[in-house]
Amino acid sequence: EPEVTQTPSHQVTQMGQEVILRCVPISNHLYFYWYRQILGQKVEFLVSFYNNEISEKSEIFDDQFSVERPDGSNFTLKIRSTKLEDSAMYFCASSDPTGRETQYFGPGTRLLVL
Amino acid sequence: RKEVEQDPGPFNVPEGATVAFNCTYSNSASQSFFWYRQDCRKEPKLLMSVYSSGNEDGRFTAQLNRASQYISLLIRDSKLSDSATYLCAVIRNYGQNFVFGPGTRLSVLP
Repeated sequence: EPEVTQTPSHQVTQMGQEVILRCVPISNHLYFYWYRQILGQKVEFLVSFYNNEISEKSEIFDDQFSVERPDGSNFTLKIRSTKLEDSAMYFCASSDPTGRETQYFGPGTRLLVL
Repeated sequence: RKEVEQDPGPFNVPEGATVAFNCTYSNSASQSFFWYRQDCRKEPKLLMSVYSSGNEDGRFTAQLNRASQYISLLIRDSKLSDSATYLCAVIRNYGQNFVFGPGTRLSVLP
């Protein structure tokens, strides 16, 4: 069964450093998403991406964040200058254009900013 | 008012019990509704889509009441493996983001 994959599974970084989180969505999906979940809190939407551009973003997704799909398969989330409060689990998701709007989630990247 | 709210939980039930989860949403324009389960430190996994007519999948039954802006999930004959956090997810239109509820934690006890 096709699945969303994410790398790395864990990332530890120093405050102020840039990180890039990578995702490979399910191959025939057209909508891509990033969510985050701070430990013990709910899953929060960051950004959605369709047709090579951002379609929607939350107030969390400020200028420190960016997304791109550089090669038609990978979907990346970049945090330019990490803050302590960026420590969270980051989930990538994708959805199938032909069926209902079900989103399938990757296993996540656990980011720890020190 | 939060956009999606759920029973705060946690629910601790014995094996074999029936357990019901409730979810309310505030945005009347919401179009699609889902239940996900999330195991500790794992990704949300789709449990069921929720249709207006209600739907059932084995021991799981989901209901939607658009007039009351309310979604429910019923688990019958609960198993130890049902222990997880159950997340209600709502979206307004196709391709738009999920708004998740805070989740309700379920522990099924032997």
